[in-house]
Amino acid sequence: GENVEQHPSTLSVQEGDSAVIKCTYSDSASNYFPWYKQELGKRPQLIIDIRSNVGEKKDQRIAVTLNKTAKHFSLHITETQPEDSAVYFCAAGGRPDKLIFGTGTRLQVFP
Amino acid sequence: NAGVTQTPKFRVLKTGQSMTLLCAQDMNHEYMYWYRQDPGMGLRLIHYSVGEGTTAKGEVPDGYNVSRLKKQNFLLGLESAAPSQTSVYFCASSYPSGGRSSSTDTQYFGPGTRLTVL
Repeated sequence: GENVEQHPSTLSVQEGDSAVIKCTYSDSASNYFPWYKQELGKRPQLIIDIRSNVGEKKDQRIAVTLNKTAKHFSLHITETQPEDSAVYFCAAGGRPDKLIFGTGTRLQVFP
Repeated sequence: NAGVTQTPKFRVLKTGQSMTLLCAQDMNHEYMYWYRQDPGMGLRLIHYSVGEGTTAKGEVPDGYNVSRLKKQNFLLGLESAAPSQTSVYFCASSYPSGGRSSSTDTQYFGPGTRLTVL
């Protein structure tokens, strides 16, 4: 079946450095790619998303890039801060029952 | 607006017991979902609903039932709980921006229910 692979599973960076998380999806019909941030004990919250008609989207320190040909998309966080520490999930979908989540990346930002 | 709310927040069951989790949303969303989250496995879709009175199976539906009698509520039932159903359950809702055949719209999550089955 369709799946989404997410790497790395854990990522440690120094405050101020950049962090990159990559996801690969298998369903070529996917056209919606959200990224969620989940702090410990909290709900997943959308931080940015991209649709298949766009190759890149940026929101302040966060950016997402999409390569539909290679079926992969990435989250880029620049100038990381301790409050960026959380688990990040990517997802790929195109219908309500086809939003498939990756297994998550635990990001730790050290001061 | 409260957004998406879930009750209860925590629950401990014994094997074989039954319970119902309630999800409510006040955003007039058409679509609602139930996920389970297990360590290292991300979020997996249990059941979903595309409108009042409709339900459909997701990726891991076995052992669960759902009902959507009112647009704002989506209930998840466990008829005979098993230890394998120990998990954190999240409800979510969304409103499709372009109709049911278009791309998925943003899903908004509830705060979660932590369920332990002994």
